[in-house]
Amino acid sequence: GAGVSQSPSNKVTEKGKDVELRCDPISGHTALYWYRQSLGQGLEFLIYFQGNSAPDKSGLPSDRFSAERTGGSVSTLTIQRTQQEDSAVYLCASSVVGQWVNSPLHFGNGTRLTVT
Amino acid sequence: AQTVTQSQPEMSVQEAETVTLSCTYDTSENNYYLFWYKQPPSRQMILVIRQEAYKQQNATENRFSVNFQKAAKSFSLKISDSQLGDTAMYFCAFAKQGGSEKLVFGKGTKLTVNP
Repeated sequence: GAGVSQSPSNKVTEKGKDVELRCDPISGHTALYWYRQSLGQGLEFLIYFQGNSAPDKSGLPSDRFSAERTGGSVSTLTIQRTQQEDSAVYLCASSVVGQWVNSPLHFGNGTRLTVT
Repeated sequence: AQTVTQSQPEMSVQEAETVTLSCTYDTSENNYYLFWYKQPPSRQMILVIRQEAYKQQNATENRFSVNFQKAAKSFSLKISDSQLGDTAMYFCAFAKQGGSEKLVFGKGTKLTVNP
């Protein structure tokens, strides 16, 4: 009965290093989203996984960003060669596709990434 | 493609008063859902209220209500008897009914409730 779980909750890394952020969606949720939120700003869409369909990667800001979703469940967002402008909160959310009445989007608490 | 616009980056209201947050959207769809999400400083996103486009009656949840104007593509959120705990970012969002496309968010309105 757990909600969306993200780890780590905070990550500090040096510029140029690679980082991996993890998201465990709610069991049975077929849709999974990654968003980025800079301090005090809105939600920037990054990527959307829906079942077995090809992911919508239209929001990824550069080729340093990639994401996978293994077995239709856990997802990992990878940022290579991190830059200071990558510092933000990365939010993951999941839902059941096509059931917006009974299954709105459920968010994790996010990972705060700081690149020094 | 659907777009969602929140034209008020920041708003403030006195405790116990009423405030209205604006949201407009652009779509060619006839059946869809609209949502308001709240993000307090704890950064946990919380669903406040949802509206199904085929329903003419405006949704209400306790102190929160919406003014849904389908023809005008407007979906404003009214918070009555504002409380300090209402201080948060508020995001308006759009979803196609039964669709597999992603939820689309507006850029948010930062609401501050003053004592």
